[in-house]
Amino acid sequence: DAGITQSPRHKVTETGTPVTLRCHQTENHRYMYWYRQDPGHGLRLIHYSYGVKDTDKGEVSDGYSVSRSKTEDFLLTLESATSSQTSVYFCAISVGGNFEQFFGPGTRLTVL
Amino acid sequence: DQQVKQNSPSLSVQEGRISILNCDYTNSMFDYFLWYKKYPAEGPTFLISISSIKDKNEDGRFTVFLNKSAKHLSLHIVPSQPGDSAVYFCAALNYGGATNKLIFGTGTLLAVQP
Repeated sequence: DAGITQSPRHKVTETGTPVTLRCHQTENHRYMYWYRQDPGHGLRLIHYSYGVKDTDKGEVSDGYSVSRSKTEDFLLTLESATSSQTSVYFCAISVGGNFEQFFGPGTRLTVL
Repeated sequence: DQQVKQNSPSLSVQEGRISILNCDYTNSMFDYFLWYKKYPAEGPTFLISISSIKDKNEDGRFTVFLNKSAKHLSLHIVPSQPGDSAVYFCAALNYGGATNKLIFGTGTLLAVQP
């Protein structure tokens, strides 16, 4: 257990509404990541962070923004949700110099 | 373009037998590879990894083999157990990148029949 929590765990929203997902870690790890998991696509990186206020885009960043104002929290925002953003979202952290990433339990988001 | 490919969406194996999950990659810059296991409604969990300087890494019932010339890796589970039933993802990264960005395959659903 890498001390990662995600909230909410489930959310249903309507097209065009803003949505913010939260990832919280308890161990002050520097690197944090947001992925989405979709059938036939595996896990795809949306955005990542390498420190407070230091973020960068992943391979599927369009329509998403992130913020990291504290080491322990990494927020993912959908400014105007679309049905194509219906997915399961996972947050992850990497520990020190290791390459292994540890994942949170996920958030299932449905956009109607 | 899918840089990491798992061409078998599913695999069914009898309990006690060997499970072999395959993964191919296209980017010759990848130099570290990982396998993750994922149960429904849970996050992926790290299983085993291998550096490109090795061709085999073993951890209990799990062994990962790497064939760099073929750009192919495989995960062997011996003996398979019903609790191994899950989706398995392989992932790769380029050590030269400072951000530990993993590229994942699409996953293989393993079903171990009792």
